[in-house]
Amino acid sequence: EAQVTQNPRYLITVTGKKLTVTCSQNMNHEYMSWYRQDPGLGLRQIYYSMNVEVTDKGDVPEGYKVSRKEKRNFPLILESPSPNQTSLYFCASSSRGQGIRNTEAFFGQGTRLTVV
Amino acid sequence: GNSVTQMEGPVTLSEEAFLTINCTYTATGYPSLFWYVQYPGEGLQLLLKATKADDKGSNKGFEATYRKETTSFHLEKGSVQVSDSAVYFCALTPTSGSRLTFGEGTQLTVNP
Repeated sequence: EAQVTQNPRYLITVTGKKLTVTCSQNMNHEYMSWYRQDPGLGLRQIYYSMNVEVTDKGDVPEGYKVSRKEKRNFPLILESPSPNQTSLYFCASSSRGQGIRNTEAFFGQGTRLTVV
Repeated sequence: GNSVTQMEGPVTLSEEAFLTINCTYTATGYPSLFWYVQYPGEGLQLLLKATKADDKGSNKGFEATYRKETTSFHLEKGSVQVSDSAVYFCALTPTSGSRLTFGEGTQLTVNP
């Protein structure tokens, strides 16, 4: 089954304690990205990756890091989380094949992060 | 830059009512347009899409037409069901590239 898997689904942590949210896809997609969802703001892109070892900032990258060492995995790292990073996070992947503009993005189920 | 604006929500309807959720966009060139749906506790799923002017996307009784002259992509359904209760996001990708830009989302609640 084609899917994007995020872990954990729920996480409560304290300010400053480094954490990683994992994301894995089994569709051999080149393009992966992270979004955060906040009430009234929709989804905003944090970082994206066009392929292995190629990453770039999205709209709200401050306080986040990513890496893309393998095609299937795209972890999101919060080196020193702060309360304003409390949010619902989604990982997504899509193909960069022919018709790049038309490809469907597949989303993980989300990670609800609370930083206290 | 690119942007998407959705009608303010939330929207509450009775079963079998007609649904319209407005979406307008700002983008250069010829973006692709999408509606994604998020059911409670789940990630987003593609509902429908349109890739050029006057295209109509349709799925599960939902429809939306790409109107370049009004830069709009309004979502419609003739008769909603309780199971349609979800958050609906309008989105676009630019003429070149895969980056999605989302609207704010519209919460739809359908009562029996």
